[in-house]
Amino acid sequence: KAGVTQTPRYLIKTRGQQVTLSCSPISGHRSVSWYQQTPGQGLQFLFEYFSETQRNKGNFPGRFSGRQFSNSRSEMNVSTLELGDSALYLCASSLDPDGNEQFFGPGTRLTVL
Amino acid sequence: DAKTTQPPSMDCAEGRAANLPCNHSTISGNEYVYWYRQIHSQGPQYIIHGLKNNETNEMASLIITEDRKSSTLILPHATLRDTAVYYCIVRVSNFGNEKLTFGTGTRLTIIP
Repeated sequence: KAGVTQTPRYLIKTRGQQVTLSCSPISGHRSVSWYQQTPGQGLQFLFEYFSETQRNKGNFPGRFSGRQFSNSRSEMNVSTLELGDSALYLCASSLDPDGNEQFFGPGTRLTVL
Repeated sequence: DAKTTQPPSMDCAEGRAANLPCNHSTISGNEYVYWYRQIHSQGPQYIIHGLKNNETNEMASLIITEDRKSSTLILPHATLRDTAVYYCIVRVSNFGNEKLTFGTGTRLTIIP
C-alpha cells in the first residue's frame, strides 16, 4: 500500500505570492491533517479534514486555508506569502479522526524569498 | 500553548535502553499520550500511544505514571538508527473536539 504522498517536494516563491500544496492520503484513509514545521517553532498543527469538512484548526492566520476532496485528497493554500512562511509543510493521514496512528508524508519544503 | 515538556536533548549508548521522559501535568482524563519520532529530513513516525496503562509494542514501551502527569518512552536496545527527535503529545480522541499539540521534542543521539 502506497504511503502518504505530497507534491511538490520543494517550492520556491517570493513574498506576496500564493501557493497550493497537495496531499494524497493512504488509500482508505479519510482523515487528513496538515502541520507546519520550522526550526524555531517545531511542529505546529494547521488543520484537520474529514469527509470534506474541516474538523479542527490551529492558531494560524486566515491566509492559511485548506480543503478536502471527495476522494480524501487534500490541498492547502497560503496566500500573500511572507518570509516567515518558509517551512516544511507536513501532511498526515489516518483512517478516521479517532485513528490512533497518523502516517506522515515526506513534506513539502517551501522557501519564501 | 504546549501541553507537554521534554528535555531538549539526550544521549544514549548503543545497545543500552533509552528512557525519554515527558511531563504532561495538565492532561485531561480523556487525553491520550502519543509518541512520535522524526528522523532527519523525514516525516514523523508513530511509535506508541496509551491512556493510563503501560503499553508495549515491537518498537518501544510506554510507562505512564498513576496520576498520568508524566510518562517515559523506553527504547529497550537503542541502535544508531534510533537517533531522531522524539515528540510526546497529548491528544483527545473524541470526534469534534480534537486538538493536537506537539511539544518541542527531545533530540536523542545514540552513541556508538
